Amino acid sequence: DVQLVESGGGLVQPGRSLRLSCAASGFTFDDYAMHWVRQTPGRGLEWVSGISWNSGNIGYAESVKGRFTISRDNAKNSLYLQMNSLRVEDTALYYCAKGSMIRFGGVPYAMDGWGQGTTVTVS
Amino acid sequence: DIQMTQSPSSLSASVGDRVTITCRASQSTSNFLNWYQQKPGKAPLLLIYTASTLQSGVPSRFSGSGSGTDFTLTISSLQPEDFATYYCQQTYTTPPTFGQGTNVEIK
Repeated sequence: DVQLVESGGGLVQPGRSLRLSCAASGFTFDDYAMHWVRQTPGRGLEWVSGISWNSGNIGYAESVKGRFTISRDNAKNSLYLQMNSLRVEDTALYYCAKGSMIRFGGVPYAMDGWGQGTTVTVS
Repeated sequence: DIQMTQSPSSLSASVGDRVTITCRASQSTSNFLNWYQQKPGKAPLLLIYTASTLQSGVPSRFSGSGSGTDFTLTISSLQPEDFATYYCQQTYTTPPTFGQGTNVEIK
């Protein structure tokens, strides 16, 4: 079974940084793209960033471009999100999600495994 | 970005009812359309991908249809465990975008 465990969330002041991690198990990590998706009561589910199996294809939501950096370490079965210059509006529950394909974009794909999320509060 | 609009935003239904949720995209998404179920305090769960393909392990009372801009999720006979919020998602373009959700409540 797919298991994704996020960590690294917390309370941080505006302008500061935070690094989220996602530990994956139960599947061949380097066979799939991975994503970060965040959720707030006001904005619902919002895709933040995605990364293909070999990090060759990376994408960001416009709202985080230039501030957030996604990365993965296939040897450690881990996904990361470095969040810099945090804003109050980045406050959310952040989910790590497994893509259903080796990459995203250009092919139909879904997010077929999700962690339980880690909460980021910027205040 | 492609905007996804679900209707209704919420509905009340009884166990055994047939429930239909609609999702409309602001432009064509071909069949790059997924449906998720989310229960309170839990992560989303993939139900249907490519508009009509049932994810492994999902009960057959769930079905999806549509292509282009108009899609439907149907629950043929609502069960107690189906009371939840349902989201559509397009992955035709980056960024992938979600609908605002449909909350299915007990009547």
